[in-house]
Amino acid sequence: QKEVEQDPGPLSVPEGAIVSLNCTYSNSAFQYFMWYRQYSRKGPELLMYTYSSGNKEDGRFTAQVDKSSKYISLFIRDSQPSDSATYLCAMRTGANSKLTFGKGITLSVRP
Amino acid sequence: DAGVIQSPRHEVTEMGQEVTLRCKPISGHDYLFWYRQTMMRGLELLIYFNNNVPIDDSGMPEDRFSAKMPNASFSTLKIQPSEPRDSAVYFCASRSTGGINEKLFFGSGTQLSVL
Repeated sequence: QKEVEQDPGPLSVPEGAIVSLNCTYSNSAFQYFMWYRQYSRKGPELLMYTYSSGNKEDGRFTAQVDKSSKYISLFIRDSQPSDSATYLCAMRTGANSKLTFGKGITLSVRP
Repeated sequence: DAGVIQSPRHEVTEMGQEVTLRCKPISGHDYLFWYRQTMMRGLELLIYFNNNVPIDDSGMPEDRFSAKMPNASFSTLKIQPSEPRDSAVYFCASRSTGGINEKLFFGSGTQLSVL
């Protein structure tokens, strides 16, 4: 079992939809959780990060972490065509600087 | 700041040839990371440096891969000899100790095709 599993996708939704992207992990030592967004032919860029269980909101984006279930989610409200990208979850333990990434899910928001 | 700069953007080579990928991190960043991205395996860490010193190279797939960081503003990833299974997008990323640990700044990548 890989340390981080991400829904494979791709995912296509109409503009304005609520999107839910999910990752599960097996290593209980992961303490820090992130979502990166990657546009086509670009490198990933940090979208959100959180250290604790619960929800963290930033505009139309909400990151949710459930450490007891080893499950993280990213919700996108009122999705826009500009949200079309690949979304990668990432996490790390506190012990070193290495990030472990999920494989990513490609989201397409149709106008 | 121009961000992390990688060259070349695209590289097409034949099996057995040597390939050198280049990276210029953001000025002032003391961590540099090399990642490889494929559809099958996603984004994998190959090696990372701190203050120009290799810290963890456990992700380097085999001895055909080597990486150097001769100074704070330049790093190379070399594959010799290259094989078709090395075809992937190779990303360089950097961050600073004083910044958010989670925030890596990625370059735009080098698309490598080994025929």
